[in-house]
Amino acid sequence: KAGVTQTPRYLIKTRGQQVTLSCSPISGHRSVSWYQQTPGQGLQFLFEYFSETQRNKGNFPGRFSGRQFSNSRSEMNVSTLELGDSALYLCASSLGSPNTEAFFGQGTRLTVV
Amino acid sequence: AQSVTQLGSHVSVSEGALVLLRCNYSSSVPPYLFWYVQYPNQGLQLLLKYTSAATLVKGINGFEAEFKKSETSFHLTKPSAHMSDAAEYFCAVSSMDSSYKLIFGSGTRLLVRP
Repeated sequence: KAGVTQTPRYLIKTRGQQVTLSCSPISGHRSVSWYQQTPGQGLQFLFEYFSETQRNKGNFPGRFSGRQFSNSRSEMNVSTLELGDSALYLCASSLGSPNTEAFFGQGTRLTVV
Repeated sequence: AQSVTQLGSHVSVSEGALVLLRCNYSSSVPPYLFWYVQYPNQGLQLLLKYTSAATLVKGINGFEAEFKKSETSFHLTKPSAHMSDAAEYFCAVSSMDSSYKLIFGSGTRLLVRP
């Protein structure tokens, strides 16, 4: 079956702009979570959606937001980009219970200049 | 609250040698634990998971991990390293709140010398 698809793979944006990243989960998975990966901070949880509802949110400013559609596809948005937002953004798809594994997309590499 | 500590940001082994990557967890309840591998410019791939069944868990590519409650450890091992094992490895624990959230360790980069 198809894996997790993230688009685009690479993005270059200018400070102050906004960006939208997309994630299509594995068919049948209703949970989509997002992580930010940087060399300094490692893998940090952004938020998780399950059946269109945000169930959890990490410690990120309000500039980071997300949503999930009825087909489980998810988007995350970052407004007013800062240089420090440059990172690999990873989307993970799962069945949504703690004893199940997450399947990750290849990520979107965002560079803010 | 759950947390994970990975000892050693870099581990270097010779091809054919034993691989041992360390992970210690902190959890107030029986944890669900995972090991993931990440190759350059890629996402994370699941190696194995512990979900309170057998304490010795076998994963893909010859890796295995043993859950030791008394030591709060979940170390990853492979008897014989291969050049293709060079990657970054992450240990993670699943948050036990009413959502799906993985809490990751800081990662260990495995270098395999020919």
